[in-house]
Amino acid sequence: ETGVTQSPTHLIKTRGQQVTLRCSSQSGHNTVSWYQQALGQGPQFIFQYYREEENGRGNFPPRFSGLQFPNYSSELNVNALELDDSALYLCASSRRRTAHTEAFFGQGTRLTVV
Amino acid sequence: TQLLEQSPQFLSIQEGENLTVYCNSSSVFSSLQWYRQEPGEGPVLLVTVVTGGEVKKLKRLTFQFGDARKDSSLHITAAQPGDTGLYLCAGDREEDSNYQLIWGAGTKLIIKP
Repeated sequence: ETGVTQSPTHLIKTRGQQVTLRCSSQSGHNTVSWYQQALGQGPQFIFQYYREEENGRGNFPPRFSGLQFPNYSSELNVNALELDDSALYLCASSRRRTAHTEAFFGQGTRLTVV
Repeated sequence: TQLLEQSPQFLSIQEGENLTVYCNSSSVFSSLQWYRQEPGEGPVLLVTVVTGGEVKKLKRLTFQFGDARKDSSLHITAAQPGDTGLYLCAGDREEDSNYQLIWGAGTKLIIKP
């Protein structure tokens, strides 16, 4: 069974630009959650997708948006990038959408905004 | 203010010593999870505790969930260099929707040979 993979692994963008991050979920998983992890901090929940629909959202502005595709892979889009968006972006997939269900994380995408 | 406070933030000890890290909150959690994260990697789940007072063991690691389900601890016996990493606790609060995990800021653990 393939694990969770994220692309790209590293990315440098300029303030004001837009970025798309991608996540392939683990086989058999229908739920993908996205997190932002700033340096020295724990992950912060951005949103979750379950069966192609947004199932919940954390305290992030609308310029953070996402998609989930029929194969349950997912994208995170961030518009109008700000310097504070520099962070490690993690996606996690799971078999069910409840928080206590074991989630498997990808290696993350390190985004640097300059 | 962190909803889940982890302490200590940083711990550096010699191989063979014992240690305990803590995860505390004023909120009640339906479940609490412990993860370990290494540089350049995503967190890896170690354990989930769901019952107040529950104790789970994973080799030299012992996890405890507080009776009131507001806190948890991770105890490592005879630490080894391979235990080095960032230890994160995360949980779903009773007052939140059941899909959202709240995370602590982590304890960075270094075990020196």
